[in-house]
Amino acid sequence: SQQGEEDPQALSIQEGENATMNCSYKTSINNLQWYRQNSGRGLVHLILIRSNEREKHSGRLRVTLDTSKKSSSLLITASRAADTASYFCATHETSYDKVIFGPGTSLSVIP
Amino acid sequence: NAGVTQTPKFQVLKTGQSMTLQCAQDMNHNSMYWYRQDPGMGLRLIYYSASEGTTDKGEVPNGYNVSRLNKREFSLRLESAAPSQTSVYFCASHSQRGGRDTQYFGPGTRLTVL
Repeated sequence: SQQGEEDPQALSIQEGENATMNCSYKTSINNLQWYRQNSGRGLVHLILIRSNEREKHSGRLRVTLDTSKKSSSLLITASRAADTASYFCATHETSYDKVIFGPGTSLSVIP
Repeated sequence: NAGVTQTPKFQVLKTGQSMTLQCAQDMNHNSMYWYRQDPGMGLRLIYYSASEGTTDKGEVPNGYNVSRLNKREFSLRLESAAPSQTSVYFCASHSQRGGRDTQYFGPGTRLTVL
């Protein structure tokens, strides 16, 4: 089964609202990453949070990590129509040099 | 820098045919990966290569083989294609330089097996 699981699977909000996506995982990790994928395109790296960090910011993005609950959240503030995309969390496992992706959250921002 | 390139962009195969998907990166990264993406399933790791000369199975390796030809190139081969292998295939390379830990993705190959 997949390491990361995003929640919700789909999210639809109005432009200007905040969007929150959650990710849960199962094993020990070195770090957790969030990626964005526009329809029909490859993935683009957004932000990385290490296992010893609890919160990280990058522009309108805020990521939190709770290693005790094995969960992370991605908050996009003041959303724009251009934020419409699928968002994936990915975990870099401690034991293996590989990155495992969750099924993603499909975000629609309505103008 | 071209980043990560993949060929072909599109391919249609008949059941039982074979083909090789090519991937190359010009960023001098050690690690490379092959994923498949199916609707509603996210990305699933097929094989990865932590360094030149090594390859390891991911979550869904059955029906595939890989070759890490050199540091730049990592190819994925389907020996006898099946309709269940219809998917979008992404290659990625991985950098941990300068404190970053980032995967860089190619544009993908859309494969249809009839």
